Amino acid sequence: DIVMTQTPLSSPVTLGQPASISCRSSQDLVHPDGDTYLSWLQQRPGQPPRLLIYKISNRFSGVPDRFSGSGAGTDFTLRISRVAAEDVGVYYCMQTTHFPYTFGQGTNLEIK
Amino acid sequence: EVQLVQSGAEVKKPGESLKISCKASGYSFTSYYIGWVRQLPGKGLEWMGVIPPGDSNTRYSPSFQGQVTISADKSISTAYLQWSSLKASDTAMYYCARPGWNDEYWGQGTLVTVSS
Repeated sequence: DIVMTQTPLSSPVTLGQPASISCRSSQDLVHPDGDTYLSWLQQRPGQPPRLLIYKISNRFSGVPDRFSGSGAGTDFTLRISRVAAEDVGVYYCMQTTHFPYTFGQGTNLEIK
Repeated sequence: EVQLVQSGAEVKKPGESLKISCKASGYSFTSYYIGWVRQLPGKGLEWMGVIPPGDSNTRYSPSFQGQVTISADKSISTAYLQWSSLKASDTAMYYCARPGWNDEYWGQGTLVTVSS
């Protein structure tokens, strides 16, 4: 299985300040079709996960532009330019390039 | 609008069987994989497996192979997750999810509690 390793696992951030989460995969995530199926999900307390970013850097419909994704191959990053109160929750990277699909361990974003 | 609507919470005893469902709408059901994700209490997300509803060739994660059965009925656009003999360690929230090339959708979750 592909192992997805996120850092940090916990991120206390001041409102209005930036935040960054890294995700490293144990294998290259480029699919034979040429795309890289690396996504970022947000899970607010008591809610199902919600897609933020797909294919490394594409914001899903309705996602604020303070969220951005970058990376290639095995190293990926989610950035929040200015953290808002509603961003509290757990963030997961996920790969759907290779079976079985796998998630990172999750990063708990909290407000200082 | 794509929607995945899951069946309601369940409380079962160890050894009992269970089948939970996920009704899809708003897209061509046979054109996308659909799968199940487990979330143990206070823990992270784990893919259990995915099924391409068009041919039912389910791909299980190794940890769940032989432990559960994932199936789909394309005539009613519904995916299922089934246990033949529940254990207390199966207590968790279960989400259905439909990954796509440019999107992804999630059900609201089904809480399964297994307790004697």
